[in-house]
Amino acid sequence: AQSVAQPEDQVNVAEGNPLTVKCTYSVSGNPYLFWYVQYPNRGLQFLLKYITGDNLVKGSYGFEAEFNKSQTSFHLKKPSALVSDSALYFCAVRDGTYNTDKLIFGTGTRLQVFP
Amino acid sequence: DGGITQSPKYLFRKEGQNVTLSCEQNLNHDAMYWYRQDPGQGLRLIYYSQIVNDFQKGDIAEGYSVSREKKESFPLTVTSAQKNPTAFYLCASSIDPPRGSYNEQFFGPGTRLTVL
Repeated sequence: AQSVAQPEDQVNVAEGNPLTVKCTYSVSGNPYLFWYVQYPNRGLQFLLKYITGDNLVKGSYGFEAEFNKSQTSFHLKKPSALVSDSALYFCAVRDGTYNTDKLIFGTGTRLQVFP
Repeated sequence: DGGITQSPKYLFRKEGQNVTLSCEQNLNHDAMYWYRQDPGQGLRLIYYSQIVNDFQKGDIAEGYSVSREKKESFPLTVTSAQKNPTAFYLCASSIDPPRGSYNEQFFGPGTRLTVL
């Protein structure tokens, strides 16, 4: 069965510093991976996805993610954090059911960026 | 949140009542989904629908029901059989999978349901 894990409940980083939010996956077959962000009392916003190709995926708001097959990881990164990046971040994997876009979500990581 | 609307934003229910959450999309997406979000548990799939008049149970369908009479609409009813319905409910949609592969889902702004 497909699954993703986000090992950190919260990540704290100072504004201007690089940030990393971790995600590891377990899949049978090819992994199709996604990152979403959620601001308080709002829906999820799509940031980026990895389907195939380059291991470094660029997304919205200056975020990028690095796909690492040997480590089964898909960590979200940003070179310089902003206070406005403070939010809840979800990693997700396509669940593998034929002909659907169903996703399995991690438990989320709260990112806190301090001024 | 653009393209998918959910109403109401906040909903209060007395125990024993059924309530219906609205989800409408104007993205011309075929697939629609309902999720429940609880603190520390991420999103769990309740129901999904890939085409009008058809829907499938997700991981936590007990105590919920849905309908899909129109492509744009996918209402969720939380019945009195749902033991712990207080949660944040999110609706999402995606492009019909056969035409586009590995598509992201687009989310509505959510409905927060509280049982009094």
